[in-house]
Amino acid sequence: RKEVEQDPGPFNVPEGATVAFNCTYSNSASQSFFWYRQDCRKEPKLLMSVYSSGNEDGRFTAQLNRASQYISLLIRDSKLSDSATYLCVVNRAGGGNKLTFGTGTQLKVEL
Amino acid sequence: DAGVIQSPRHEVTEMGQEVTLRCKPISGHDYLFWYRQTMMRGLELLIYFNNNVPIDDSGMPEDRFSAKMPNASFSTLKIQPSEPRDSAVYFCASSLSQGLTQPQHFGDGTRLSIL
Repeated sequence: RKEVEQDPGPFNVPEGATVAFNCTYSNSASQSFFWYRQDCRKEPKLLMSVYSSGNEDGRFTAQLNRASQYISLLIRDSKLSDSATYLCVVNRAGGGNKLTFGTGTQLKVEL
Repeated sequence: DAGVIQSPRHEVTEMGQEVTLRCKPISGHDYLFWYRQTMMRGLELLIYFNNNVPIDDSGMPEDRFSAKMPNASFSTLKIQPSEPRDSAVYFCASSLSQGLTQPQHFGDGTRLSIL
């Protein structure tokens, strides 16, 4: 089983739609969680950290369920510019600052 | 602020040749990471350093790969001899060590093609 699993997609949605991505992680000792965004042929960039109580940044909402070892990202009112690959990222306890990346979920927002 | 700087941006070379990738982390960051990304395997951690010391090199594919960090502002990843299956995008990233919540900041990557 992969340490971090995501649905690869692609998710094709119309502009203005709400879309949700899910991610599961296998190591219950994981302590820090992130969503990164990667545009085609570009480097990954931090989108947002994921906190236990859930957190929101504009149109983006991240949720963490430790009991189910599950992380989600919700994008409301999607824009064409949201088209990218979204990477679920986990930092394991005892792993220093070592991050484990999921293979990503591809989002395509269309007119 | 200057981000993580990698060079070269693109490298095309013939198999058997030595390849050296370079990275300058963000000033003040004490962690440096080397990743490889391919379509098949996604983003894989190769090795990471803390305060210039290699901490975990378990992701280095084989002895043909080596990495060094002679000082806080410079690291290299070397492949010798290179093979076509080494073709990938190689990313360098850096971060601070204050707790586990520090994100990593990536360079633009080096696109490596081994013919």
